[in-house]
Amino acid sequence: DGGITQSPKYLFRKEGQNVTLSCEQNLNHDAMYWYRQDPGQGLRLIYYSQIVNDFQKGDIAEGYSVSREKKESFPLTVTSAQKNPTAFYLCASSLGDLRYDEQYFGPGTRLTVT
Amino acid sequence: AQSVTQPDIHITVSEGASLELRCNYSYGATPYLFWYVQSPGQGLQLLLKYFSGDTLVQGIKGFEAEFKRSQSSFNLRKPSVHWSDAAEYFCAVGALGGSYIPTFGRGTSLIVHP
Repeated sequence: DGGITQSPKYLFRKEGQNVTLSCEQNLNHDAMYWYRQDPGQGLRLIYYSQIVNDFQKGDIAEGYSVSREKKESFPLTVTSAQKNPTAFYLCASSLGDLRYDEQYFGPGTRLTVT
Repeated sequence: AQSVTQPDIHITVSEGASLELRCNYSYGATPYLFWYVQSPGQGLQLLLKYFSGDTLVQGIKGFEAEFKRSQSSFNLRKPSVHWSDAAEYFCAVGALGGSYIPTFGRGTSLIVHP
């Protein structure tokens, strides 16, 4: 079955440590996205990528980094510079960059930093 | 830039009752509109989308939405709610011009009473 996988589902880290969240898709989609979700805030875009080896900052990119070395993979690193990293992180993909392309979402990773 | 407002943070209905979730958007041109549903601790799933044609759109799980240009609205409806519909619902708008990345509303939490 095609879809998006995110691992792990729960992640715990100590403050000051970098942590990388995995996102893999086998939908052959060109575009991939990372969102952060906090209660009452909706989805906020962190980074997105339209093609391999290219990515763009979203609305809240500070303290995060990404790479897109393969079409199917778009890992997100939460760095120690992110002031409030505890959140639910969602990865998504879409066929391309057309305005009416729907997004397909992974199950999410809940990151807790103490 | 496009924006989307979901005026209701929480909606409570009884099982079997009808449902309407409100979504208002702000954009001058024809928008592309989406409704997604999120079960607790999960990713988002597309319910339906509108980008042209018939303004009444049918989706999965018995949901429908109507695009009303004069009111800048895209409200989601269901004639009879089931307990399994309890979830978070997000409206999103994408638009011609500028970034193709859709903008999400803050979500409406649906509570279903037996």
